[in-house]
Amino acid sequence: QQQVKQSPQSLIVQKGGISIINCAYENTAFDYFPWYQQFPGKGPALLIAIRPDVSEKKEGRFTISFNKSAKQFSLHIMDSQPGDSATYFCAASWSSNTGKLIFGQGTTLQVKP
Amino acid sequence: GAVVSQHPSWVICKSGTSVKIECRSLDFQATTMFWYRQFPKQSLMLMATSNEGSKATYEQGVEKDKFLINHASLTLSTLTVTSAHPEDSSFYICSARDQFTDTQYFGPGTRLTVL
Repeated sequence: QQQVKQSPQSLIVQKGGISIINCAYENTAFDYFPWYQQFPGKGPALLIAIRPDVSEKKEGRFTISFNKSAKQFSLHIMDSQPGDSATYFCAASWSSNTGKLIFGQGTTLQVKP
Repeated sequence: GAVVSQHPSWVICKSGTSVKIECRSLDFQATTMFWYRQFPKQSLMLMATSNEGSKATYEQGVEKDKFLINHASLTLSTLTVTSAHPEDSSFYICSARDQFTDTQYFGPGTRLTVL
């Protein structure tokens, strides 16, 4: 019940295209859903995060879509660039649990020039 | 944005020795810090939750006597890998939770290689 399932495992997109990564969860107590970007040999960096009171949040080329009833959320990267090539992790947490993050399995994105 | 540092960024040690890794929140206070372990091409595995001024909470399967965690102040947590063995070689990452925003920020990671 604490799992966060992420798909696809890997993704190849042409430059300028849209990259879409999906996550699904079971625990309805989750109330915070961040996305992290990680480059090889580096720590994850927070990209964007959303709470269940909104269905969409946009920051630059990155958009989170959130479907509370389906218990799913997704990351859309518009106008994907080669510099976006990295591993992306979705995560979920609940405020009453010290903020411990439950991570998805990760998606390796490759943007071809 | 908020910055979390880790030191050292990489370390090589001999089997049987102990290694200490520091995690610092540079511009915010963190009552809670987390320690993760990451194997190549895998997700982050939470090892323990570190609370300032109290004992750490370890995840199931993580040996607390092997991975000693101390969170002595609101900006510093340390992870000591005791009697390290080659199987402890991994990428160790800490994160710090901003107590005012609940946002979790990650350090750059420490690459541990045990010979």
